[in-house]
Amino acid sequence: AQSVTQPDIHITVSEGASLELRCNYSYGATPYLFWYVQSPGQGLQLLLKYFSGDTLVQGIKGFEAEFKRSQSSFNLRKPSVHWSDAAEYFCAVGLPDGYALNFGKGTSLLVTP
Amino acid sequence: NAGVTQTPKFRVLKTGQSMTLLCAQDMNHEYMYWYRQDPGMGLRLIHYSVGEGTTAKGEVPDGYNVSRLKKQNFLLGLESAAPSQTSVYFCASSYSRTSYEQYFGPGTRLTVT
Repeated sequence: AQSVTQPDIHITVSEGASLELRCNYSYGATPYLFWYVQSPGQGLQLLLKYFSGDTLVQGIKGFEAEFKRSQSSFNLRKPSVHWSDAAEYFCAVGLPDGYALNFGKGTSLLVTP
Repeated sequence: NAGVTQTPKFRVLKTGQSMTLLCAQDMNHEYMYWYRQDPGMGLRLIHYSVGEGTTAKGEVPDGYNVSRLKKQNFLLGLESAAPSQTSVYFCASSYSRTSYEQYFGPGTRLTVT
């Protein structure tokens, strides 16, 4: 069955530390891959996306993600976290001929001083 | 541009009551979506539309109806609200299929007592 898994429900990092949020997918073909961020009380905002080509993609707010076909993963990274990065992060997957995205259950990021 | 707007922002219903949530977008997008967000469940697709006059079922359509009479509006209806429909509802729109970014509204928090 097609699925998107975010193994970590909650992650806590210190401000200034590096961050990696995990995302794994199970699809027959290589899908389109997205990371969205949701600040408290807000809608979702696109951070970055991968369709094809260079497996390391850059996004907004200093985030990047790496697509690893062999691991069916699309992990989100940031070298130095800021307190304003505290939010809910969602990985999403879509098929090239699909109409809608399939979202993971999200990872809640807490940033400590 | 206002982007994607949702009306109302908050609503409390009694079991059995009906209501309609309105989503409007001013980006001339073809595709529109309704999601519900519940703790630990991520976003689940309720219904979507690939153009004016069209609608299709998503992952969790039961208890909801939708209409897309105008390209810029996508309405979500609850005919007989149930406590299980207590949730935060998000509308989104995109230019086309899954290769295009989805833009999200700010959400409607619905409580059914």
